[in-house]
Order: sequence, then structure tokens, then C-alpha cells
Amino acid sequence: DIQMTQSPSSLSASVGDRVTITCRASQGIRNDLGWYQQKPGKAPKRLVYAASSLQSGVPSRFSGSGSGTEFTLTISSLQPEDFATYYCLQHNTNPHTFGQGTKLEIK
Amino acid sequence: QVQLVQSGAEVKKPGASVKVSCKTSGYSFATYGIDWVRQAPGQGLEWMSWISVYNGNTAFAQKFQGRVTMTTETSTSTVYMELRSLRSDDTAVYYCAIIDGDNPIDYWGQGTPVTVSS
Repeated sequence: DIQMTQSPSSLSASVGDRVTITCRASQGIRNDLGWYQQKPGKAPKRLVYAASSLQSGVPSRFSGSGSGTEFTLTISSLQPEDFATYYCLQHNTNPHTFGQGTKLEIK
Repeated sequence: QVQLVQSGAEVKKPGASVKVSCKTSGYSFATYGIDWVRQAPGQGLEWMSWISVYNGNTAFAQKFQGRVTMTTETSTSTVYMELRSLRSDDTAVYYCAIIDGDNPIDYWGQGTPVTVSS
């Protein structure tokens, strides 16, 4: 199985900060990666698909990059509604696998 | 609009089975496969399995192989996921989802809480 190592596991930041979350794949997955945001008690919501394509309706402060084994999700200027948990998901090879998650908290 | 509506919360005893339904609407049923993802309390997301509604092909995470069965019912546009031999660590919220990784197609059900307790 492909292992997705996500870092950091938690992050404390302030409104207006720029933050970056990283996922590393245990083997190359081309650009077969998505980024999800999840708020407590809610289903996950995808922000980015195919590593760098923004899902419709997602604010442009979110961006994704990377290919192969290293991927990043960047939030250019944190807003209050962005405090949540973020996950990456690879769909290159079955079984699909999620990263462990990054909990983004208010400093 | 695409909607996935899941069945309600379940409480089961260890060793029992649970069958969760995912009723779809808003698209041609055979167009998309259905993924199943679960989340234990306070834990991360775990991808479990996938079924192609078009041809019945399936894929599983190894830990669920042999314990999960997925079926489709075309007459009601519903997909079912049955998990057998339940253990306490199967306590989780179970989600069905349509996840197209290469296109902006991503829809999720509301989740079905399953509690396994004696």
C-alpha cells in the first residue's frame, strides 16, 4: 500500500498567516492527489484535486502543488473559517490512502 | 444536483453485522463508483473500499478484504455496504462518497454513525 505521510500533525497560526501543509507519498503517484478540509461533525470537503486544480467554489487563497512524491497545500492568508483539519488522499493505486491529518488551530 | 443520503445510526453487538445504505440521486446511477470511508471517534479518515456501479468491480483496503461486501440496487439507485464480524474498534462514522480524483466530482453522504458495544 502507498503510505501518505502528512506534516505537521498540528499547526497553530493566526488570521492572516500563510500556512503550508505537506504530504509525502511512499512511492510516486504522479499528480493523483486531493486535499480535503473537515470541520467537526461534518463530512470532508475537497479543496484541490489532481494536486493543483482548485475545486469549484473554493477560495483562491487555497492552492495545491507537487507531483510524484511530494505535495503541498498552501493557504495564503488564513481566515477564521479555515481553522479545521486537513487531509490528503492519493488515488493513484488501490487501496486509496489518506494522510494522517493536520489540525489547524487558532494561535 | 447530486445527493447521497445515508441510512441512520446503528448500534450493534460485537460479532454482529451492519449494513449501511447510500441512496443516490441527481445523476445517472451507473456513471460513478462509490467509495466508502470511515472515521473513528477523534481519529483521521480511513479509506475502506470502492465499487463500480457500472460493472461491479471492487477494491478494498486489505484490512477490510473478506469482511466488507458492497452491493448495488439499480431500481432505487442505492449502494449498500455490509461490514461483518464487528469489533469495538469498528465504532466509527461511515461515509459513502463519489470521488473522481481527476475531475471536479466529489460528493459525500452525511455519514452513518455505527457503535459497536456489548
